[in-house]
Amino acid sequence: EAGVVQSPRYKIIEKKQPVAFWCNPISGHNTLYWYLQNLGQGPELLIRYENEEAVDDSQLPKDRFSAERLKGVDSTLKIQPAELGDSAVYLCASSVSWDANNEQFFGPGTRLTVL
Amino acid sequence: GENVEQHPSTLSVQEGDSAVIKCTYSDSASNYFPWYKQELGKGPQLIIDIRSNVGEKKDQRIAVTLNKTAKHFSLHITETQPEDSAVYFCAASGETSYDKVIFGPGTSLSVIP
Repeated sequence: EAGVVQSPRYKIIEKKQPVAFWCNPISGHNTLYWYLQNLGQGPELLIRYENEEAVDDSQLPKDRFSAERLKGVDSTLKIQPAELGDSAVYLCASSVSWDANNEQFFGPGTRLTVL
Repeated sequence: GENVEQHPSTLSVQEGDSAVIKCTYSDSASNYFPWYKQELGKGPQLIIDIRSNVGEKKDQRIAVTLNKTAKHFSLHITETQPEDSAVYFCAASGETSYDKVIFGPGTSLSVIP
């Protein structure tokens, strides 16, 4: 069974440019998460989807970040415009359902560098 | 909100020795405590978890202990091998749909052959 797929794996952009990350979760997983991981730190939740509905986006900087999950499957996370401080790894994860006790399966992440 | 602290931040052990990573959490309502292992260039992967109704859980060379009174939980790896080298994250969560998994800052474990 394929795991969580993310693309691109690496992205280098200049500040003020837009950038988008794509995630394909494990088939049948209703819950999808986007995390931010700064160097030397643990993942921090940005947004959680239950099917196509965003049920927890309290940590998403809505002035520049946006996300969508079309048809409750793939998801895209966008930053516009990017700032120097956005340099980090963006992780996507999925789980069978919302239950916090369900194992979350993580993708390899997209490493973003903003110059 | 929940806050998870983790110690040490780096740990080096000789192959075959044991490694212990300790975490504390702040929210007494938390009742689920997973541990994730992250290898270089990969996403975190669940290696073991424990729930608040259990004090200890073991899976081969890995064991976790939980002290709810003190709000402490620990990961124990015995007979360490070079492939155990990675960053380990502890985490804590409640059980409602409003709860999120809060991760600690991580421990970088190096197993020296």
